[in-house]
Amino acid sequence: AQSVTQPDARVTVSEGASLQLRCKYSYSATPYLFWYVQYPRQGLQMLLKYYSGDPVVQGVNGFEAEFSKSDSSFHLRKASVHWSDSAVYFCAVSVGGSALGRLHFGAGTQLIVIP
Amino acid sequence: DPKIIQKPKYLVAVTGSEKILICEQYLGHNAMYWYRQSAKKPLEFMFSYSYQKLMDNQTASSRFQPQSSKKNHLDLQITALKPDDSATYFCASSQDRGSQNTLYFGAGTRLSVL
Repeated sequence: AQSVTQPDARVTVSEGASLQLRCKYSYSATPYLFWYVQYPRQGLQMLLKYYSGDPVVQGVNGFEAEFSKSDSSFHLRKASVHWSDSAVYFCAVSVGGSALGRLHFGAGTQLIVIP
Repeated sequence: DPKIIQKPKYLVAVTGSEKILICEQYLGHNAMYWYRQSAKKPLEFMFSYSYQKLMDNQTASSRFQPQSSKKNHLDLQITALKPDDSATYFCASSQDRGSQNTLYFGAGTRLSVL
């Protein structure tokens, strides 16, 4: 079955520490891959996206993600987190075809940054 | 200023009633969507519209009816409300209905059905 899995419901890190949020997908073809962030009481905002080319893609606010076809993963990373990064992060895929424009989201990972 | 306006922000309804969730986007986009986020499930795609035409419907129930009176409007009418409909409903838009397109989301309408 097609799915997007974010295995960590909650991640807690200290300010200044590095971060990795995990995402694995299960689709028959390589989909478009996205990371979105949701700050409290706000809608989702896209951080970055990937479809082809360099497997490491840069996003906003120092975030980057690495695509691995062999591992079917698209993990999000940041070298040094700030307290303002505290939010819920969603991995999402878009598969095209008849589902054009339809995003499938993972369950989300809540990031808590301790000052 | 928010570019996608959803009204109201909070909504309380009684079981069996009907409500309309409003969405307007000022990004000049041609595609609009509805998603639902509940405590039990991750963000779920509901509908997509392109140039005011329904393109994709993943909502099993006919109680959910999107309505597009203008290109930049996509309202969501929900009839015969049930407690299980309690969720935050997000409207989104994109330039076009392409897989590579970035979706822009509104802040959501939090619906509670008693």
